[in-house]
Formats: sequence, structure tokens, C-alpha cells
Amino acid sequence: AQKITQTQPGMFVQEKEAVTLDCTYDTSDPSYGLFWYKQPSSGEMIFLIYQGSYDQQNATEGRYSLNFQKARKSANLVISASQLGDSAMYFCAMRELGTGNQFYFGTGTSLTVIP
Amino acid sequence: EPEVTQTPSHQVTQMGQEVILRCVPISNHLYFYWYRQILGQKVEFLVSFYNNEISEKSEIFDDQFSVERPDGSNFTLKIRSTKLEDSAMYFCASSEVRFNYGYTFGSGTRLTVV
Repeated sequence: AQKITQTQPGMFVQEKEAVTLDCTYDTSDPSYGLFWYKQPSSGEMIFLIYQGSYDQQNATEGRYSLNFQKARKSANLVISASQLGDSAMYFCAMRELGTGNQFYFGTGTSLTVIP
Repeated sequence: EPEVTQTPSHQVTQMGQEVILRCVPISNHLYFYWYRQILGQKVEFLVSFYNNEISEKSEIFDDQFSVERPDGSNFTLKIRSTKLEDSAMYFCASSEVRFNYGYTFGSGTRLTVV
């Protein structure tokens, strides 16, 4: 089974609008962390936001927020007030405390912001 | 802000040749990693390294791969005999503690095997 599933290969959003990128995960480890990374066309991986499995509140970092629904095992990224520079690939990832130190990545969502 | 530095940014090599990809992790970080991303595909874990030894590796990380921390600052990935399917972007990353979310990736080395 896939650890991380991103079902939206591509998304479009109008500039200044909000957009939600979906991510579901699969784990039996009670201790895990969920992450979102942005990969612009230049290729580097940029950390955006983190949510721990025991965190009670949804994580927020500026225009990024993580809609964490633990019972549904979903960790959707919400980008508010989209900007042209937000156009990139977005990867959801997970680390499990019990099974090691590696990240499991999803297949990514390509976001295009339309002026 | 501290960075993970990778060199070269792009390397082209002939099939069967050995390549060494270099990384300088953040200086106070203790855990080091290599990931790869085949074009258009997801990022895949290769190996993690702690206390001068491999702590975990994936099934991708077979005998043709090796990692080394030859001095106090560099962290290298060696591919002994490159294959066409090794063409990918290779990312180095480092983190301070085992489960700290401060997991910083380098900007990657694009390896092209011809």
C-alpha cells in the first residue's frame, strides 16, 4: 500500500484565490510527522510546513496551512491568496518514528497559478 | 540561513563510469541522507547515515552505491558503474536530530547517464 497518496496530478488556481492540495496517508505508527515540500522548476526541494501526529492544532506558516484530519488520515495543504510564484510541484511526505528516519513521498501535485 | 550544498549541479557521465556526488550538510546536523527523483516521478529514499555509518537504506541502494563522510564536512554518494536508469536528480539532506522536522534538502545534482 502507498504510504502517501496525492490524487491530483495537476491543479489550476486563479491568482489571489485559495487552493487546497490533497494528501492522504497510511500508517499504523502512532507517532509520525507530515510535511509539505515545494519544488519549483529549478528543482530544489523547499520545506513548507510540518504537522506532528500529536499536534492538536492545524499547522500554519504564513499563507500555508495544513488541514489535518487524523481520523481520515488526510493532511491537505491550503495555500491562501495564491501568487504567481506559487506555481510549482508540491509534495506531501511522511516520516514514521517507529520504522525509521526516511521520508515517504507522494507523487506530487503540479500547481499552476493563472494571472 | 544555513544551507545544504551539493556539487555539481549537473553531471553527465557515460554508462559504466563511476560518479561521486558531493554534499556539504549543515554543520551542526548529525543525520545525513540521499534521495533520488527520476524525472517526473516521486522522490525516493536511498540511504541515511549517522555516526559514520549507514543507519538505513532502501532496496534501491544496492551494491553499486556507497556513501562516505571522508572528512568533517563532506558527505558523498558514489555510484560505481552507472546505468542509464541511474539518470535522476539526487538530493542530499541533513537533519539535526532523528525526528526533528528540520530536514533540509540541498538543491540537487542532476545526473545524466548516456
